[in-house]
Amino acid sequence: NAGVTQTPKFRVLKTGQSMTLLCAQDMNHEYMYWYRQDPGMGLRLIHYSVGEGTTAKGEVPDGYNVSRLKKQNFLLGLESAAPSQTSVYFCASSRTSGGYNEQFFGPGTRLTVL
Amino acid sequence: SQQGEEDPQALSIQEGENATMNCSYKTSINNLQWYRQNSGRGLVHLILIRSNEREKHSGRLRVTLDTSKKSSSLLITASRAADTASYFCATPEGVYSSASKIIFGSGTRLSIRP
Repeated sequence: NAGVTQTPKFRVLKTGQSMTLLCAQDMNHEYMYWYRQDPGMGLRLIHYSVGEGTTAKGEVPDGYNVSRLKKQNFLLGLESAAPSQTSVYFCASSRTSGGYNEQFFGPGTRLTVL
Repeated sequence: SQQGEEDPQALSIQEGENATMNCSYKTSINNLQWYRQNSGRGLVHLILIRSNEREKHSGRLRVTLDTSKKSSSLLITASRAADTASYFCATPEGVYSSASKIIFGSGTRLSIRP
């Protein structure tokens, strides 16, 4: 099992450009998440999904959109990139059981916006 | 939202020594998790402790939970160079929630000196 994979691993964008980050999981998890991590900080939740076809906003959703068309994939889109979106992006998935949510993380995507 | 805050922010110890890091949170929870993040990697789940547990062990890891003080500690015994990483505590958004979201603290950066 590959677990959680993310593509691409690195990307450099110019301000105003758009891009999509892809997350895929092969664990049949219902829940998927997108986080961003800035230097020396913890993770902040951007958007999440509790099942195929559903999405919800997290703590810092502005400037991002997501889609969950298939259970195994969760896409994060930046329509018009800004330097403030320079960060490392992590995808995670989980299968909550009895109210306990152990999350499995991908390796991250390092995004730089010039 | 509730958030765990780790203390200290950074810790440097000699190989073989024990490392202790703490997490404080704000509101009632039904569980607390600890994760490890090696440099440049995604987070890895270490251990989950339920609110009705006071202590839990996993290999060289010992986690305690004091719900009256709203705090948890992670002890790593006989530290090794490979333990060099950042450690995060994570708490669910609410004790009565479906646990669809967890909130991460800002982490403790642990360095093991040879």
